[in-house]
Amino acid sequence: GDSVTQMEGPVTLSEEAFLTINCTYTATGYPSLFWYVQYPGEGLQLLLKATKADDKGSNKGFEATYRKETTSFHLEKGSVQVSDSAVYFCALSESSGSRLTFGEGTQLTVNP
Amino acid sequence: DTAVSQTPKYLVTQMGNDKSIKCEQNLGHDTMYWYKQDSKKFLKIMFSYNNKELIINETVPNRFSPKSPDKAHLNLHINSLELGDSAVYFCASSQGTKNIQYFGAGTRLSVL
Repeated sequence: GDSVTQMEGPVTLSEEAFLTINCTYTATGYPSLFWYVQYPGEGLQLLLKATKADDKGSNKGFEATYRKETTSFHLEKGSVQVSDSAVYFCALSESSGSRLTFGEGTQLTVNP
Repeated sequence: DTAVSQTPKYLVTQMGNDKSIKCEQNLGHDTMYWYKQDSKKFLKIMFSYNNKELIINETVPNRFSPKSPDKAHLNLHINSLELGDSAVYFCASSQGTKNIQYFGAGTRLSVL
């Protein structure tokens, strides 16, 4: 079945550091890929998405590129802020839709 | 206006009790979901309804029974609560089964 694997956390960075959170997936078809973010005490919010190979999703300074050859969708940000502290989830949705399969989540803490 | 709202936000109850969690969305979506997030933040889909019809029913104990009175509401009733049911339950909605899912803020259930 489908699965998503994220780098283990937690990740602790200083403000303005470069962020990478790795995400790889296994799927039978051609999935859409997502990054969701969960701020403390809140629900999940869509951060960015990509629906086909080589697509780049971007939002709020975050970027991720859909790499079919390496089955990856790594999240990057050039300069993190304290307000980026949250749990980040990589997820996929098969072409048939209907369900999101999530990775384990990566807790990010950014210190001033 | 909150797009996807869940009530209650917190629910503390004793083992063996029966409880319900309610979800309402005002986005005009036709598909709704219930996810369970365990203590390690892992998220897994439980149920999905499209136009009030059940389309996803994962391996969930039959003590859990979803009900969708209309497209804007999806409630979750849990009978004979067990300690292992303690988790955060998230409701989500989307337009169709292939589009972005919008999440509620979650209901934190604690079974004592």
